[in-house]
Amino acid sequence: SAVISQKPSRDICQRGTSLTIQCQVDSQVTMMFWYRQQPGQSLTLIATANQGSEATYESGFVIDKFPISRPNLTFSTLTVSNMSPEDSSIYLCSALGVGVSTQYFGPGTRLTVL
Amino acid sequence: TQLLEQSPQFLSIQEGENLTVYCNSSSVFSSLQWYRQEPGEGPVLLVTVVTGGEVKKLKRLTFQFGDARKDSSLHITAAQPGDTGLYLCAGPNTGTASKLTFGTGTRLQVTL
Repeated sequence: SAVISQKPSRDICQRGTSLTIQCQVDSQVTMMFWYRQQPGQSLTLIATANQGSEATYESGFVIDKFPISRPNLTFSTLTVSNMSPEDSSIYLCSALGVGVSTQYFGPGTRLTVL
Repeated sequence: TQLLEQSPQFLSIQEGENLTVYCNSSSVFSSLQWYRQEPGEGPVLLVTVVTGGEVKKLKRLTFQFGDARKDSSLHITAAQPGDTGLYLCAGPNTGTASKLTFGTGTRLQVTL
């Protein structure tokens, strides 16, 4: 199994600012993903973080708003740019282990935008 | 677009009661997974069902995959407060199996 940590665990930000969330996996993984979970809702996939290349975004999400980096196999960052109150959500990182079909999730980052 | 609808959306029961959560779609899935998410944590995989009609048991939890692979159910026997959480079904996207589509979620609260 893979253990995933995220930093920060929570933050309160002012509108118009940006926040970068870090995701660290304790072992090599094949794929990494970023999800958004709005209050009381299910998970929505934002993008697939590709190592050494641009992330692949899902419909409704764009790179200018959610730039993603993945400089190596075990680390990724998601930036929420020019935040508005509508961006208040839990942001979750997940990873797919090598040779397995199980996705492991980080504990999430709870973001509140005032 | 593959959608997974869960019912009920909310469920509040007393310890010892039984319950069933449903996950339905108009699309066929090659497999379905069930996750449980507790407050402040990410979802944790409970089970993966792969074969139509398959039944899997995990202690007091019984998971079933529909014959047509369009639906699944989770039955909990003698619920305990530790079962409290958000239950999510999820299925792989057509074309990119590593991506998951999550169901709408069922929030379960088990009280003493």
